[in-house]
Amino acid sequence: DIQMTQSPPSLSASVGDRVTITCRASQDISKSLTWFQQRPGKAPKSLIYGASILQSGAPSKFSGSGSGTDFTLTISSLQPEDFATYYCQQYKDYPYTFGQGTKVDIK
Amino acid sequence: EVQLEESGGTLVQPGGSLRLACAASGFIFRDHYMDWVRQAPGKGLEWIARVRPKSYTTEYAASVKGRFTISRDDAKNSLYLQMDSLKTEDTAVYFCTRGYHGFNPWGQGTLVTVSS
Repeated sequence: DIQMTQSPPSLSASVGDRVTITCRASQDISKSLTWFQQRPGKAPKSLIYGASILQSGAPSKFSGSGSGTDFTLTISSLQPEDFATYYCQQYKDYPYTFGQGTKVDIK
Repeated sequence: EVQLEESGGTLVQPGGSLRLACAASGFIFRDHYMDWVRQAPGKGLEWIARVRPKSYTTEYAASVKGRFTISRDDAKNSLYLQMDSLKTEDTAVYFCTRGYHGFNPWGQGTLVTVSS
């Protein structure tokens, strides 16, 4: 199975900060990577697919980059509604696998 | 609007069975891959099953293979998950999701609790 490792596991940030989360795959997954946001008690929401393509309806403050094994999610200016847990997921090979999540909370 | 709504979650005893359903609307259901993903309390996300359009072929995570069966009824725009031989570690919120541009969208989830 492809292992997905996110870092950091958690971070504290202030409103207006630029935040970067990284995701590393245990093998080459090309650009078959997606990012999700999950607020407490809610379903995940897709932000990015194809490593860098903004999902329809997702705010443009979210951007993704990377290919192969190393990927990043950037939030350009953190807003109160962005405090949540973020997951990466590979869909290159079955079983599809998720990172362990990065919890973003208020400093 | 594309929507997914799960149902069927409840408390069930270990060794028991349960069938979850997911009603889809707002898109051409028969053309899309459909998946189930679960989340144990306080834990991360785990993909568990996929059914392809047209061929109806399936894929499973090792943790559920042989016990769970994913299926679809295109006439009813519905996705199903038959869960047999349930274990306490199957306790989770179960989400259905469309496998389009990643996984998008997701239903609100349905809670399955396996406990005696």
